[in-house]
Amino acid sequence: QKEVEQDPGPLSVPEGAIVSLNCTYSNSAFQYFMWYRQYSRKGPELLMYTYSSGNKEDGRFTAQVDKSSKYISLFIRDSQPSDSATYLCAKGALAGGTSYGKLTFGQGTILTVHP
Amino acid sequence: DTGVSQDPRHKITKRGQNVTFRCDPISEHNRLYWYRQTLGQGPEFLTYFQNEAQLEKSRLLSDRFSAERPKGSFSTLEIQRTEQGDSAMYLCASSPSALTGQPEETQYFGPGTRLLVL
Repeated sequence: QKEVEQDPGPLSVPEGAIVSLNCTYSNSAFQYFMWYRQYSRKGPELLMYTYSSGNKEDGRFTAQVDKSSKYISLFIRDSQPSDSATYLCAKGALAGGTSYGKLTFGQGTILTVHP
Repeated sequence: DTGVSQDPRHKITKRGQNVTFRCDPISEHNRLYWYRQTLGQGPEFLTYFQNEAQLEKSRLLSDRFSAERPKGSFSTLEIQRTEQGDSAMYLCASSPSALTGQPEETQYFGPGTRLLVL
């Protein structure tokens, strides 16, 4: 079993829709979670990060972590064609308040928002 | 705003040749990471440095791969005797020191070096 599992999609939605992107993970000791957006042939761009269960909101983006079910989600409200990209979830490990450094990524979900 | 930079952006080489990539992290970021990404997959961790010390290496990093960060600033990743299976995007990322008050977990990626081994 992979440490982080992510449905590769592709996911296609109309402009203005609410998008839900999801990942599951294993090995849940002292985790933190990241969401990255990657446009074609570019490096990943950090969108959001969270340490604990619950929701974190930033503009049109909401990251949600459910540690009891080992499930992380990213919601995009009022989706735009410019949101079309691959979305990557990742997890890292903390020890004594310091991160181990390594991020483990999911496969990425390809999202297309059409006008 | 100077983000993470990588050079070259593209490299085509013949099997058996050596290649070297360079990464310049964001100024004052003390951690630097290397990842490899193949088509349709997420990035895979290779190694990371805290200042000049290499703290962790993945088992993906075979003996043909070596990374250095001699002065704790830029880093190089060298692949010796390249193989076709080395074709991938090589990504560099950096993260700030906890002493700056910024979360050291936040890794910022460069644009990547795309390697094609013929």
